[in-house]
Amino acid sequence: AQSVTQLDSQVPVFEEAPVELRCNYSSSVSVYLFWYVQYPNQGLQLLLKYLSGSTLVESINGFEAEFNKSQTSFHLRKPSVHISDTAEYFCAVTSFGQAGTALIFGKGTTLSVSS
Amino acid sequence: EAGVAQSPRYKIIEKRQSVAFWCNPISGHATLYWYQQILGQGPKLLIQFQNNGVVDDSQLPKDRFSAERLKGVDSTLKIQPAKLEDSAVYLCASSFDPPDEQYFGPGTRLTVT
Repeated sequence: AQSVTQLDSQVPVFEEAPVELRCNYSSSVSVYLFWYVQYPNQGLQLLLKYLSGSTLVESINGFEAEFNKSQTSFHLRKPSVHISDTAEYFCAVTSFGQAGTALIFGKGTTLSVSS
Repeated sequence: EAGVAQSPRYKIIEKRQSVAFWCNPISGHATLYWYQQILGQGPKLLIQFQNNGVVDDSQLPKDRFSAERLKGVDSTLKIQPAKLEDSAVYLCASSFDPPDEQYFGPGTRLTVT
């Protein structure tokens, strides 16, 4: 069975500081990995994804994540955060070829950016 | 393009009552998912449809939850009778080419008193 562990439930940082949100997964088959973001009072939206190819993936707003197969990790990083990055971040995993393609989510990490 | 639509946005019911949620996926998306998100947790799959067929309902509490997707487009999720522990946000998502990106609706926040 697949599982996702987000190691930090809350991460408070100051504006313009770097941040890393940690995500580890467990799976016996090849995986596809995602980070979703949920801004206050909004729905879940995709931030970035790893399906294949380069292990370093980037989003349009400066976030990046690296797929590390040996460490079964997919940590999310941003070198300089903004107030507007305050949100709930969810790491998720799925695979292809099993009964379904539903996402298995972690419990989420609340990123709070203050000035 | 229009996103995933869900209604109602909020619902308050008493335990043992019944409730239904509606979802309209993005046009052309054959795959539809219902997730349950309890406060403080990540979303958890209830059921996955491919067109109007069920792909995975292994985590759906079938004694009280039911879902259908007639004609392979809109879907409804029903709870009957509701329990206090069903208080959660119910999310609908759709995908054109799984396991690629899933697009989520705004969710329905259910409170059972």
